[in-house]
Amino acid sequence: DAKTTQPPSMDCAEGRAANLPCNHSTISGNEYVYWYRQIHSQGPQYIIHGLKNNETNEMASLIITEDRKSSTLILPHATLRDTAVYYCIVRASSGNTPLVFGKGTRLSVIA
Amino acid sequence: DTGVSQNPRHKITKRGQNVTFRCDPISEHNRLYWYRQTLGQGPEFLTYFQNEAQLEKSRLLSDRFSAERPKGSFSTLEIQRTEQGDSAMYLCASSNQPGTQNSQETQYFGPGTRLLVL
Repeated sequence: DAKTTQPPSMDCAEGRAANLPCNHSTISGNEYVYWYRQIHSQGPQYIIHGLKNNETNEMASLIITEDRKSSTLILPHATLRDTAVYYCIVRASSGNTPLVFGKGTRLSVIA
Repeated sequence: DTGVSQNPRHKITKRGQNVTFRCDPISEHNRLYWYRQTLGQGPEFLTYFQNEAQLEKSRLLSDRFSAERPKGSFSTLEIQRTEQGDSAMYLCASSNQPGTQNSQETQYFGPGTRLLVL
């Protein structure tokens, strides 16, 4: 079973920041937080991952709370093309484990 | 395009028939994963290869399912005697083993093969 809890859906106005929350209260010290997204009828797309420090790349920022029990994925300027299901996943640092997906958050970016 | 490719993209078959899907991973990726996704659900793990060795299989992989990666490059997933419950999107992902113990691998997914069993 997935070790994360996410809201089933969210809306965001185009051009505004989209903040997607994820709870992972049972995360272990050696587990990373990964985010993927899946646009309709496509395969999941890697976005970002982190352990305890905040991370930023060209797609998004990942903010992890100090106790690591929750995190937020931030899309700074959402566009219509960001409409997708976003999955938050925790994964052991050994790395050679399959990804365990929950149901994710369906983000709708509205013009 | 140097991403993960999957063929066919769509397959319609009758119950009881056998089907085979192919996945071509990103060049030189030594790990290859198969997942299945049904409508409204996230992908579920089926099996995983490191090079040509099949290292893990989930309970979802019944004896009607078989996967191979004979030369450690492309992989095939075969479903024998298909059932309507096999209708799903079959996703393939590949990754490279991290160079150091503390590095993380990232899985890159293909577009999937959508199977419909009538």
